[in-house]
Amino acid sequence: AQKITQTQPGMFVQEKEAVTLDCTYDTSDQSYGLFWYKQPSSGEMIFLIYQGSYDEQNATEGRYSLNFQKARKSANLVISASQLGDSAMYFCAMRELRGSTLGRLYFGRGTQLTVWP
Amino acid sequence: KAGVTQTPRYLIKTRGQQVTLSCSPISGHRSVSWYQQTPGQGLQFLFEYFSETQRNKGNFPGRFSGRQFSNSRSEMNVSTLELGDSALYLCASSLAGGAASSEQYFGPGTRLTVT
Repeated sequence: AQKITQTQPGMFVQEKEAVTLDCTYDTSDQSYGLFWYKQPSSGEMIFLIYQGSYDEQNATEGRYSLNFQKARKSANLVISASQLGDSAMYFCAMRELRGSTLGRLYFGRGTQLTVWP
Repeated sequence: KAGVTQTPRYLIKTRGQQVTLSCSPISGHRSVSWYQQTPGQGLQFLFEYFSETQRNKGNFPGRFSGRQFSNSRSEMNVSTLELGDSALYLCASSLAGGAASSEQYFGPGTRLTVT
């Protein structure tokens, strides 16, 4: 079974609007971390935001916020006030914090976001 | 503080050759992971090293190997290259790769082309 599912291969948003990128995850662990990365065409993976499974508050980093719904196992990324420079591939990832897979990130297939003026 | 560095950035090799890629993690980070990214398979985990020991390994053939040095720098080696090894190879570093690791930063990647 897929550990991370991103159901939106592509998303379009107008500049200055907000956009939500979906991510659902699958784990039986109680302790895990969720990450979002941005990958522009240059290839570098840029860390955006992190949410721990025990964090009670949704994580926020500037224009990025993570809508964490633990019971639904979803960790959607919300980008407010989109900018043209936000156009990139976005990846959701998870690390299980115990067990034999400690240290490994599981990635979704990504969502290609295009911001238009 | 300096980010994760990977060398070389681009590499062209011929089938059957071998290649070594290098990764220097962020200062103080002891965990280094390697990932292969291809259009068809997406991001796939290769292996993770922590304090010079391989802690995790993905489902790749034995042609893919790695190591970590005492200064946390890591190398990965691919022997007997195949066309399908053409990919972007990404290295990530974190403090410990465990519960305390909300940090997991990637380098710019090495783009390997096998002809």
